[in-house]
Amino acid sequence: SQQGEEDPQALSIQEGENATMNCSYKTSINNLQWYRQNSGRGLVHLILIRSNEREKHSGRLRVTLDTSKKSSSLLITASRAADTASYFCATDIQGAQKLVFGQGTRLTINP
Amino acid sequence: DVKVTQSSRYLVKRTGEKVFLECVQDMDHENMFWYRQDPGLGLRLIYFSYDVKMKEKGDIPEGYSVSREKKERFSLILESASTNQTSMYLCASSLGTDPPGWLRRRGEKLFFGSGTQLSVL
Repeated sequence: SQQGEEDPQALSIQEGENATMNCSYKTSINNLQWYRQNSGRGLVHLILIRSNEREKHSGRLRVTLDTSKKSSSLLITASRAADTASYFCATDIQGAQKLVFGQGTRLTINP
Repeated sequence: DVKVTQSSRYLVKRTGEKVFLECVQDMDHENMFWYRQDPGLGLRLIYFSYDVKMKEKGDIPEGYSVSREKKERFSLILESASTNQTSMYLCASSLGTDPPGWLRRRGEKLFFGSGTQLSVL
């Protein structure tokens, strides 16, 4: 399986609810990044968390990182229809000098 | 804001054609990347460049080549297009490197273009 696997693959919730997506990886990392992709468009950087950080916030986004479990989660609070998109985690692997992207979670917010 | 521009949103080509995908960034970024995105496979790195005239193979370089003659422009070339190269192609750039020669300063984010959906018939 690939470095950086998101779970679930798809998530559908009602507007106003919180959405949680998870990412697992296999090897040691320098940092982990989350990106959003609207349908048919490029990716947009959301947030970066370094390997020595455990939690980070940006607006309605909260990211956690557990290096002992090699996992990260992205929480979007008070979801809006405009949050409908695919979300990708990307791991900056130690020694590899590149970002490795997961397959993404497709999030649908129902009005 | 950084702008990464890909020359075409949609492209239809025939098998065997030579295809050029162009990418231009306007923020004097040193690093540029080409990914392809396929359902169920996520993004896969084709080639990257950390300097003019420099290029490095990514994870899936076969069937592709690149050109970086100017800092702002990174071209992806399909030498002889095949149907299995039908995909969404995404170009990205990032700020720079320290020290020179490393792919990327730690903690750098990527700026992506809007993508080119290529269909090879």
